Amino acid sequence: AQSVTQLDSQVPVFEEAPVELRCNYSSSVSVYLFWYVQYPNQGLQLLLKYLSGSTLVKGINGFEAEFNKSQTSFHLRKPSVHISDTAEYFCAVRAYNTDKLIFGTGTRLQVFP
Amino acid sequence: ETGVTQTPRHLVMGMTNKKSLKCEQHLGHNAMYWYKQSAKKPLELMFVYSLEERVENNSVPSRFSPECPNSSHLFLHLHTLQPEDSALYLCASSQDRRQSFTEAFFGQGTRLTVV
Repeated sequence: AQSVTQLDSQVPVFEEAPVELRCNYSSSVSVYLFWYVQYPNQGLQLLLKYLSGSTLVKGINGFEAEFNKSQTSFHLRKPSVHISDTAEYFCAVRAYNTDKLIFGTGTRLQVFP
Repeated sequence: ETGVTQTPRHLVMGMTNKKSLKCEQHLGHNAMYWYKQSAKKPLELMFVYSLEERVENNSVPSRFSPECPNSSHLFLHLHTLQPEDSALYLCASSQDRRQSFTEAFFGQGTRLTVV
């Protein structure tokens, strides 16, 4: 079975500051990794994904994430955040041999002016 | 617009009512999912359908009954719900593991309130 841990339930940050949202996963088989963003009263939108290849993945809205197999981590980063980045961010994992997409508990990013 | 449409967007129902949530995708995907998102709780995977066959049922109470008549449509039939079932219900679709991989695409969700 797979599991995802997002250690930070809330991350407050000032506008134009850098941010890192942490994600660790557990799996006995190879996995695909994802970050999704959810704005209020909306569904989930894909930010970026790691399938294979380069461990540094770039996504939309200036976000990027790095896959670290030895630390089983997939942390999300942005060098300079905007007010509009205020949202809930979810890390997710899907094992190669299943159709189950498992989510972490989410991190609320709050950007202040 | 993600290609996954859920209706209705909002639903208020009494505990004795019967209602259905609908999800539709025209992305050519063959796997569809129902998730429940409650306040202050993680996203819970409820059901997974692959090629219209239910492949996962995460110990969901029988008052939730899914139906997948074809690969483009997914329903969630609701009856005799409890107030704690109030939540945002999200539908998603993707290719299943036997096809070229795609990520899951989500609908906007149905905000359900049980009174």
